[in-house]
Amino acid sequence: AQTVTQSQPEMSVQEAETVTLSCTYDTSENNYYLFWYKQPPSRQMILVIRQEAYKQQNATENRFSVNFQKAAKSFSLKISDSQLGDTAMYFCAFMISGAGGTSYGKLTFGQGTILTVHP
Amino acid sequence: GAVVSQHPSRVICKSGTSVKIECRSLDFQATTMFWYRQFPKQSLMLMATSNEGSKATYEQGVEKDKFLINHASLTLSTLTVTSAHPEDSSFYICSATGLADYEQYFGPGTRLTVT
Repeated sequence: AQTVTQSQPEMSVQEAETVTLSCTYDTSENNYYLFWYKQPPSRQMILVIRQEAYKQQNATENRFSVNFQKAAKSFSLKISDSQLGDTAMYFCAFMISGAGGTSYGKLTFGQGTILTVHP
Repeated sequence: GAVVSQHPSRVICKSGTSVKIECRSLDFQATTMFWYRQFPKQSLMLMATSNEGSKATYEQGVEKDKFLINHASLTLSTLTVTSAHPEDSSFYICSATGLADYEQYFGPGTRLTVT
């Protein structure tokens, strides 16, 4: 079974500064995806960034980037130039790539980190 | 991007009654849909996996007779909470898988309050 651990229940950052959210995972699988999702106060889940495990290059999406350390099973999210709209709960998630049967598309979520951006 | 809708967005029901929540993929056919439950400031807890035309697969500890899931078409899955009790009050979220397994599209959620 896969597990995802987010050890920071809450984080805060000043507007325009940089913050890093931590995530570790455990799996015996070799092919998988890792995700960061954002859940703002509206509670709509929004995909922030996706990383394929076979890719060594860290994924980036504008102000969001990840530090993927496959051997260490670590997948942190860096938010640069934080904005007030980044205030949300952030979830790290894991999915086995190409899983069959009832595991197809199945996400395993971490506990979440509540991020508050202060003006 | 693909859109998933949920209806209703909020529902209040009396204890002992049943309530149905719909999850629709609006512009794509979803091979698989998932139902989650989320308590305030907590993570999403997967309840069941729903495939069109077949029985849902429930996670351990989820009562299949209480949380009835029907996936009648490639664009619609429904979750019926039967004989609801106040402890069933929660936020329920569905998601649907697109063409690729990593394409997960989430609905906006349904807040259920049982009085």
